[in-house]
Amino acid sequence: SQTIHQWPATLVQPVGSPLSLECTVEGTSNPNLYWYRQAAGRGLQLLFYSVGIGQISSEVPQNLSASRPQDRQFILSSKKLLLSDSGFYLCAWSVSDEQFFGPGTRLTVL
Amino acid sequence: GENVEQHPSTLSVQEGDSAVIKCTYSDSASNYFPWYKQELGKGPQLIIDIRSNVGEKKDQRIAVTLNKTAKHFSLHITETQPEDSAVYFCAARSFGNEKLTFGTGTRLTIIP
Repeated sequence: SQTIHQWPATLVQPVGSPLSLECTVEGTSNPNLYWYRQAAGRGLQLLFYSVGIGQISSEVPQNLSASRPQDRQFILSSKKLLLSDSGFYLCAWSVSDEQFFGPGTRLTVL
Repeated sequence: GENVEQHPSTLSVQEGDSAVIKCTYSDSASNYFPWYKQELGKGPQLIIDIRSNVGEKKDQRIAVTLNKTAKHFSLHITETQPEDSAVYFCAARSFGNEKLTFGTGTRLTIIP
């Protein structure tokens, strides 16, 4: 069966520090991968998606970037975090219609 | 692009009663409509979905209906239980599009 992992589960970072969030999927090949951000009590904002290794589409201009170095690995990065980057970051995968979410990373920028 | 509207934003239901959440979409080419349940502090969980070639789908206490003419779809939860309390999101996607467009969510509270 397929599983999706995200780490870390929680992260507290100072403003201006770098960020690296990792997502990996097991049990499937060539998935579409997605990064979403969810502000407290709000909806799901798509940040990036990828249909293959090295292929990244950006949905919202911001100081975040994404990379897909391996088929089942998706990384979200920032060189300098802003207060507004705080939120709940969700990775998701799909190989057909269904899309499945990971457990999320709670990021607090102080 | 696709636009999905979801109502109501909050819903309180007495335990044992039914709950209905409604969504409308704008793109007539949309053909896949999933529903997600998100519990506090967790990622959204796919609970049911429907494709445009059917009008209704049921899985135990939950069901989804689709009206392609009116471009709306609904989630129905019967015999609600406290564990049904969560935020529910609808979404839509058109064929060949890798992205889902989500509604803004409904916070469902089941009153014991």
